[in-house]
Amino acid sequence: GQSLEQPSEVTAVEGAIVQINCTYQTSGFYGLSWYQQHDGGAPTFLSYNALDGLEETGRFSSFLSRSDSYGYLLLQELQMKDSASYFCAVGNDYKLSFGAGTTVTVRA
Amino acid sequence: KAGVTQTPRYLIKTRGQQVTLSCSPISGHRSVSWYQQTPGQGLQFLFEYFSETQRNKGNFPGRFSGRQFSNSRSEMNVSTLELGDSALYLCASYDGTGDGELFFGEGSRLTVL
Repeated sequence: GQSLEQPSEVTAVEGAIVQINCTYQTSGFYGLSWYQQHDGGAPTFLSYNALDGLEETGRFSSFLSRSDSYGYLLLQELQMKDSASYFCAVGNDYKLSFGAGTTVTVRA
Repeated sequence: KAGVTQTPRYLIKTRGQQVTLSCSPISGHRSVSWYQQTPGQGLQFLFEYFSETQRNKGNFPGRFSGRQFSNSRSEMNVSTLELGDSALYLCASYDGTGDGELFFGEGSRLTVL
């Protein structure tokens, strides 16, 4: 099976940088994905790492190290609208195993 | 392009009843997968359909079933509802490009009393 661990909560102020770590145990997967979900709404895709290294998408960056079974999502220049739950996920294209989620609270 | 549409958005059922949820994927997406989200278990994969065929199934009892139609619309059914089936049921469509992106709908929130 696959298990993923990520912190349950993170709090930061506007403009700050937050890093959400994700460690996983899996027998094989295509890549590491990150999703954002506001208040139980639709999860929205943020980033995907198929290969080791850093992927940058605007204020968000994601990193993967397969040798360390580790990845992270970096949120820069935090805004109030970034307050949400963030999930890491591994799997194949359509079958994903998700972490329990990290609730990010941004304070003014 | 319209997003993933799920109906109904909210529903309340009692134990022992059955429920059918519907999902219309993004136009052109042939893969539809279903996930159950609960506070205790998080997001868990139920099953996936592609071209009317179930390609993969998660660890759920046989009470959970689904199907896909020729227009890629999908339905999932839960029979003999239990209290523990109360959850947000999310549908996701996938375009097959291998870019890791699933497009989720807003979900159907089921409450079992």
